[in-house]
Amino acid sequence: KNEVEQSPQNLTAQEGEFITINCSYSVGISALHWLQQHPGGGIVSLFMLSSGKKKHGRLIATINIQEKHSSLHITASHPRDSAVYICAAFAYNTDKLIFGTGTRLQVFP
Amino acid sequence: DGGITQSPKYLFRKEGQNVTLSCEQNLNHDAMYWYRQDPGQGLRLIYYSQIVNDFQKGDIAEGYSVSREKKESFPLTVTSAQKNPTAFYLCASSIRGLAGGPGSETQYFGPGTRLLVL
Repeated sequence: KNEVEQSPQNLTAQEGEFITINCSYSVGISALHWLQQHPGGGIVSLFMLSSGKKKHGRLIATINIQEKHSSLHITASHPRDSAVYICAAFAYNTDKLIFGTGTRLQVFP
Repeated sequence: DGGITQSPKYLFRKEGQNVTLSCEQNLNHDAMYWYRQDPGQGLRLIYYSQIVNDFQKGDIAEGYSVSREKKESFPLTVTSAQKNPTAFYLCASSIRGLAGGPGSETQYFGPGTRLLVL
C-alpha cells in the first residue's frame, strides 16, 4: 500500500462543475503539497499547507491532520483546469517528500 | 523572467552511453532537486543539493551522478550503469533548502526532459 493515496485516479467533468480530489496519507507529516502537471509535463506548485485551508482563485485546499486526509477543490471548473493533480506529503520522521500517483482531470466544455 | 530551464526537451541515449541533462535557475535559490517520473508512479527523488558544492543522494541515486559547482546550475548525468533510464526527468529548486529536508518548502519545477533509449 502506498504511503500517499489519491482518489479518484481519473476524473471527467463538465465545465462549471465543482471538483474534489482526495489525498490520504499514512505517515506523520509536517506539510502537504498540491501540484498541477500540465499535458506538456511541466509542474506548478499550487499549495503547501500544514493545517486548515488555503484558497487561491477557484482552487481551495484543505487538510485534516487527525484524519490524515487532504482535499483539493476546484470551483466553476474550466477546460483549462484539465491536468494531472498530484499531492505530496512531507514526512517529518524521514525528511522525505512522498508523492501520490496523481489524479487525471479532464473538463469538457 | 525568473524561472528554471531544462534542456534538451527530448534526449536519446544509446546503449552504454552517458548523457547529461541540464538544469539552470535564475531564482537565486539555494536548493535544487532532480526527480524521475515513470508512468503510473509518483515522482521519485534522485539527488538534491542544498548548497553549492554539496549534494545528497535521494531514493534512486544508483546509476546517476550530479555536480553543483554553481548556484544556478545542477546538471544530472545518466550513466551507463542506469539500466532503465527511459523516463521523464524533472528539475526543481526551492529558496532555502537548509531549513529542512527536500519538501519542507515550496518547490519550483522546470519543464522536464524526456529521455529515451535507442
